[in-house]
Order: sequence, then C-alpha cells, then structure tokens
Amino acid sequence: DQQVKQNSPSLSVQEGRISILNCDYTNSMFDYFLWYKKYPAEGPTFLISISSIKDKNEDGRFTVFLNKSAKHLSLHIVPSQPGDSAVYFCAASDSSNTGKLIFGQGTTLQVKP
Amino acid sequence: DTAVSQTPKYLVTQMGNDKSIKCEQNLGHDTMYWYKQDSKKFLKIMFSYNNKELIINETVPNRFSPKSPDKAHLNLHINSLELGDSAVYFCASSQDPGARITEAFFGQGTRLTVV
Repeated sequence: DQQVKQNSPSLSVQEGRISILNCDYTNSMFDYFLWYKKYPAEGPTFLISISSIKDKNEDGRFTVFLNKSAKHLSLHIVPSQPGDSAVYFCAASDSSNTGKLIFGQGTTLQVKP
Repeated sequence: DTAVSQTPKYLVTQMGNDKSIKCEQNLGHDTMYWYKQDSKKFLKIMFSYNNKELIINETVPNRFSPKSPDKAHLNLHINSLELGDSAVYFCASSQDPGARITEAFFGQGTRLTVV
C-alpha cells in the first residue's frame, strides 16, 4: 500500500519555463512533507519542506504548495534550468518522532536548453 | 568533506555469501537510517538507530542485521544473500527526530548485485 504517490514518472519542460511536480498522499497522520532531488549515482539531497500548518513554503526558485483537504502537494520550479534535471522524490513523515520518511516513487524531470 | 559516506559504492557477490556495508556520518547527528531502493525505484526505510538504540525495524528478513558501534556509524550486515537482495542501499542521518527536524542527509548509495 503506497501511502505517497507520484503519478507522473517523468516530466519534460523547456528552460526558463515552470516545472510543476505533483505528489498525493493517503495517510492523514502525515504532518511534514519534504522534497528531495537525486542525480544518477548519488544519494537524494534535501530540497525543501513544508509543515502541515502551512500551505506554502518558498526558497528561491523552489516553492512547495500543500493542500491538506485534497492530500496533495506540489513543487514548483521557476524558472527551470538544465541543472534541475534529476529525479524528484516527495516524502512524508508523521508525528511519531522516529524520523521515518515515506517516499513516493519519484518523477524524472528533464529541462531542455 | 563528505557528510554521510558509505562503502563500498558497488558490490557484486554470489548468492549465499555474507556481506557488509559500512556507513559513517560526520554531521554530529543522533539518528541514522538504512533505506533500500528496489528495482521499481521505491525508497523504503529498513532500520533506524538513535544514539546506538534501534528505533525502527521494518519488515526486513532476519538475514539483515544493522550494527551501530557508536552514533556516527551504522553498518549493515547481510547473511546468505539472495537474488532479491539486489538493490541500492542508502544510509542516511538526521538530527533528533523529536525536534521534528526530519530532513535526512543521504550517502551516495551502495549498489548491491547478487549473482
């Protein structure tokens, strides 16, 4: 039972345009959400996070939006750059304080020059 | 200076062998984890340790045994390797999850291939 889902396996956008990556979750106990970026042959690196008490968090070109009623979050990258080409993972944690992250299956973003 | 380092990066071994993957973090974090990324690219937690104490033990075969000699190290030992154990194994660390700082820092991964 996959509690965090990224239904788009891949996304291709033109450099300078907006990239929107989506993530859905089913567990209402999740209260903290994270996005990770992964290049080939490297480990995931933390990108941005959002607490369930917020609906938006912005960090430079990256903005994460959270819609709790829809159990949906999205990552916006504006403007997209070729160096953003990577696999993006959505992850969620609950209030159990174990640090356990539940990951989606990832979306491969390709930004074309 | 690598924050979370794993060795080896690649590991090819025969079925039935016993192997270990080592992990070290120099971030001063209290909690360390092992995640497995299978052929379908899902990243799933296997174990976590907080200050050398086992916190999470997901449904993992007993052939997998984590060992934490100190809070900066978390090694993974796998007995009697099977073909289905082939995957990429990631070590990670984070500050005290109780502080709700759950951003985990990952190592570069160990690609295990069982033949």
